[in-house]
Amino acid sequence: DAKTTQPNSMESNEEEPVHLPCNHSTISGTDYIHWYRQLPSQGPEYVIHGLTSNVNNRMASLAIAEDRKSSTLILHRATLRDAAVYYCILRRAGNQFYFGTGTSLTVIP
Amino acid sequence: GAVVSQHPSWVICKSGTSVKIECRSLDFQATTMFWYRQFPKQSLMLMATSNEGSKATYEQGVEKDKFLINHASLTLSTLTVTSAHPEDSSFYICSAWDRGGAGELFFGEGSRLTVL
Repeated sequence: DAKTTQPNSMESNEEEPVHLPCNHSTISGTDYIHWYRQLPSQGPEYVIHGLTSNVNNRMASLAIAEDRKSSTLILHRATLRDAAVYYCILRRAGNQFYFGTGTSLTVIP
Repeated sequence: GAVVSQHPSWVICKSGTSVKIECRSLDFQATTMFWYRQFPKQSLMLMATSNEGSKATYEQGVEKDKFLINHASLTLSTLTVTSAHPEDSSFYICSAWDRGGAGELFFGEGSRLTVL
């Protein structure tokens, strides 16, 4: 399995930025870093992914460390709808996605 | 964006019966689909990789005779839980790889199985 390590839980105040960290020290040169989030009783939802360079989309930004052994998902302004479990996943050559424990994000109004 | 649909979204069955869950990619062709199971308050566990036109590849510890996977077309994969028992009660989620897209893996809404 491609191993990632995330904090079990984090809290953020509404409308403030949130930085969700992920460690993936065993990443190989061809592994993509993907982030998904999951609401209760729903399937995961794609957030963002990247390989080496930082990435931005309408949902979030992904900052990837220069050595690629860690990354940070950035939600620029947390809303109550962003409360979910966030998973950082490495995609390997067979395209299998192995999920770690994820970070449960609580957004405080 | 691409959509993956699962059916049924929930099912209750008696112990010993078999249950089939369908996973469809609605607007793209998926040569590869994946099946996961998720117990309450736990992460998703990859069960198997479903390849169109060939046998599924099962993860270690997953019984292939218990969880039958068929990927007969480029838009449909099915998971059959055979002779279901209460310990098979779980949330089953499929996903499909859109090769023509931006490198995203799309997930279905999940199917909750309760075995009495």
